[in-house]
Amino acid sequence: KNQVEQSPQSLIILEGKNCTLQCNYTVSPFSNLRWYKQDTGRGPVSLTIMTFSENTKSNGRYTATLDADTKQSSLHITASQLSDSASYICVVIAGSSYKLIFGSGTRLLVRP
Amino acid sequence: EAGVTQFPSHSVIEKGQTVTLRCDPISGHDNLYWYRRVMGKEIKFLLHFVKESKQDESGMPNNRFLAERTGGTYSTLKVQPAELEDSGVYFCASSQDLVRNEQFFGPGTRLTVL
Repeated sequence: KNQVEQSPQSLIILEGKNCTLQCNYTVSPFSNLRWYKQDTGRGPVSLTIMTFSENTKSNGRYTATLDADTKQSSLHITASQLSDSASYICVVIAGSSYKLIFGSGTRLLVRP
Repeated sequence: EAGVTQFPSHSVIEKGQTVTLRCDPISGHDNLYWYRRVMGKEIKFLLHFVKESKQDESGMPNNRFLAERTGGTYSTLKVQPAELEDSGVYFCASSQDLVRNEQFFGPGTRLTVL
């Protein structure tokens, strides 16, 4: 069964600190992996898209890594800001499918 | 450029009533998707339109849900009759192509069935 699992479920950090969110997937065959940010009351917004051959991709203070062998990904947030408070969702696409398979997300709270 | 819009933002109805959700995709996007997040669960795929045609409706939970996209522009998702377990947030997304398939999401409609 295709699944995407994320940890931790929730995280609280102080403004300016770094953090790393984890994603493990059992999706096969693998096509690509995406990280989305979802602010409260808004729809998910794409942060990064990585294919099988990419093992790191950055978008500003966000850096995603992918290990296709161990089927793990991480999202590293550097120098966190209050506006980073949101849910971060790991999404995997299988094969040639267009369906997004979502993780349950990590809820991040950045405190001043 | 306007993003994906959804209407209404919130809807509260009683069990047995009918509700219709609307999604306006980004102009020019042939692909339109409906997703749903029920309480405490992850977002799940419901169906996919390519223009006005249903490409895949394998995620639709049962025949109380009916999606349409007449003319290949906006889409509606009707729930009739609504049940308590239909409560959740319904998201619409659109994408220009299926190669990169970058999906842009609307803000969602929060449906509460009492």
